[in-house]
Amino acid sequence: GQNIDQPTEMTATEGAIVQINCTYQTSGFNGLFWYQQHAGEAPTFLSYNVLDGLEEKGRFSSFLSRSKGYSYLLLKELQMKDSASYLCAVSGSSKAAGNKLTFGGGTRVLVKP
Amino acid sequence: DSGVTQTPKHLITATGQRVTLRCSPRSGDLSVYWYQQSLDQGLQFLIQYYNGEERAKGNILERFSAQQFPDLHSELNLSSLELGDSALYFCASSVEGLGGLNEQYFGPGTRLTVT
Repeated sequence: GQNIDQPTEMTATEGAIVQINCTYQTSGFNGLFWYQQHAGEAPTFLSYNVLDGLEEKGRFSSFLSRSKGYSYLLLKELQMKDSASYLCAVSGSSKAAGNKLTFGGGTRVLVKP
Repeated sequence: DSGVTQTPKHLITATGQRVTLRCSPRSGDLSVYWYQQSLDQGLQFLIQYYNGEERAKGNILERFSAQQFPDLHSELNLSSLELGDSALYFCASSVEGLGGLNEQYFGPGTRLTVT
């Protein structure tokens, strides 16, 4: 099975940096994804990591350590519109798993002025 | 706009009824996935289809079934509905689904309310 943990809620100030941690325990691993979801809307793809290290995409960066079962999403120069839930998800590696994503519970980020 | 479309946007029905949710994947995507999101359960994988064939199954109840048609659109059928089935149902699509890594793009969802 798969177990994915991330903090429930975080608060940060506009213009600041926030780091959202995600730890996972999986029976198979093919990659780790980060999605952003505004309340009542669809999740939107932010980034994914397959190999260890940092992937940077503009204001968003994601890091992976497969040996530690750990990832983080770094949001820089926070804007009010970044207030949303951030979902960590793991893609399984077995044939039976297909390409399904197993999601963590999400971290609600509140950006304050 | 992800390019994935879902209908209807909202659905209100009574316990015991049956409903069908529809999804059209992005142009060129062969895989379709269904997820359920409720307040207490988070986003849960239900089932995946690849090019018309069932590819992987998750926590999908026996009362639920799905299929993918030759034009690649998919339908999720929910029957004998219970209050606990009230949730947001998302469809997602990706280019392939044979174990290769590719990001999934989500549709706007169907909000199902069972009364």
